[in-house]
Formats: sequence, C-alpha cells, structure tokens
Amino acid sequence: AQSVSQHNHHVILSEAASLELGCNYSYGGTVNLFWYVQYPGQHLQLLLKYFSGDPLVKGIKGFEAEFIKSKFSFNLRKPSVQWSDTAEYFCAVNPTNFGNEKLTFGTGTRLTIIP
Amino acid sequence: GAVVSQHPSWVICKSGTSVKIECRSLDFQATTMFWYRQFPKQSLMLMATSNEGSKATYEQGVEKDKFLINHASLTLSTLTVTSAHPEDSSFYICSAAWYEQYFGPGTRLTVT
Repeated sequence: AQSVSQHNHHVILSEAASLELGCNYSYGGTVNLFWYVQYPGQHLQLLLKYFSGDPLVKGIKGFEAEFIKSKFSFNLRKPSVQWSDTAEYFCAVNPTNFGNEKLTFGTGTRLTIIP
Repeated sequence: GAVVSQHPSWVICKSGTSVKIECRSLDFQATTMFWYRQFPKQSLMLMATSNEGSKATYEQGVEKDKFLINHASLTLSTLTVTSAHPEDSSFYICSAAWYEQYFGPGTRLTVT
C-alpha cells in the first residue's frame, strides 16, 4: 500500500519569506500527486496536481510543486508567502491514471504566517 | 467549478442514537464518492468508497455495520452513524469523484 510522509508538522514564517513543504511517498508504480489546502474553517481545496508531463507544476495562488521521481518527492513551494497563506497543507497520492481513485493523504503541515 | 455540499454542517446527538450525513454533488454526477474522517490536527483517513448502485467498500478497521453508506443516486451519498458513541465524535468529510476529487465542507459530529 502507498504511504505519504510530510515531515514538517508546523512551519512558521514571516510574510515575504520563501516556502518549501516536503512530501515523500512510497509506491513503486505510477502515481498521481496532489497538494490540498485547508484554510481555517473551510473545506479542502486543490492547490495543484501532477498526473504526467512536465514535473514542475504550477497551481493557484502562486504555488508550485516539483515531482522528482528518483526521490519519490513532490515538494510544494512558494517564493513569497502572504499572511493569507496560513492554513493546513496536505499532500496526497493515488496510484492510477485517473484522479478519481482513492487518495492517501499525508499527515499535513500547518503553516502559520506572521505579519 | 464542481461543488460538493454536506448536510448538516454540525450535529450534536446523544449516545445510542443514529445520525445521517448527506453528501451531494451539486453540478455534476459522481459515480464514486468517498467518506473520510478527520481527527483534530490530523490527516484525513479514508473510511469507505461509495459506488452508485452497489455496496460500499470499507477500509480495514472500519465497521460497516456502524457506518452505513448508501449511494442511491449519482448525486447523493449518505453516511449513517448507527448507535453513536462519544468516540465517534469527529469531523466527517465526503468527496465526489469526477476526473478528480472534489471535497465537501465537512460535518462535525459531537456525541454526548
């Protein structure tokens, strides 16, 4: 079975700092990769996804992620964070060619941005 | 974009009673819906996969007789927590699959 690791449990940054959240997965086959964000009191929203092609994917709100197959990683980045980026971030994977199969989530990273 | 709703958003019930939570895809049809449980400050744990017109597939360790799932139509799946106990208190989230998963806003269940 696949698993997802997010090693950063809580990250605190000042506004305008650069962000990188780690995500590693374990699965031997082809995977689809996702980053979701959960703002306080809101539901999960898709930030970005990788199915195939260019390993550097860009998402909403200035976020991007890079799929490095050799490292089984899909780290999330943003060059300059804003206070409004304070949220919980979840990495997720599924092992099929379609995005509607069940997802395995990481434990999440809580991001706090200090004004 | 695709919208998924859940009802109710918050429910308090007494121990021993049953609670039904609805998950609807508002502007698309979903043959597959998923039910997750999220504990405070933790990740989402998949409980079951709900397929329209067939029995749900439960993850290991999830009691199917306690968490009854019905996917009666392409836009509605329901989760019924039967004989609820305080340890069932949690945040329940559904998602509907249509090329990708779209998540509902969640239902907070508190069992007293």
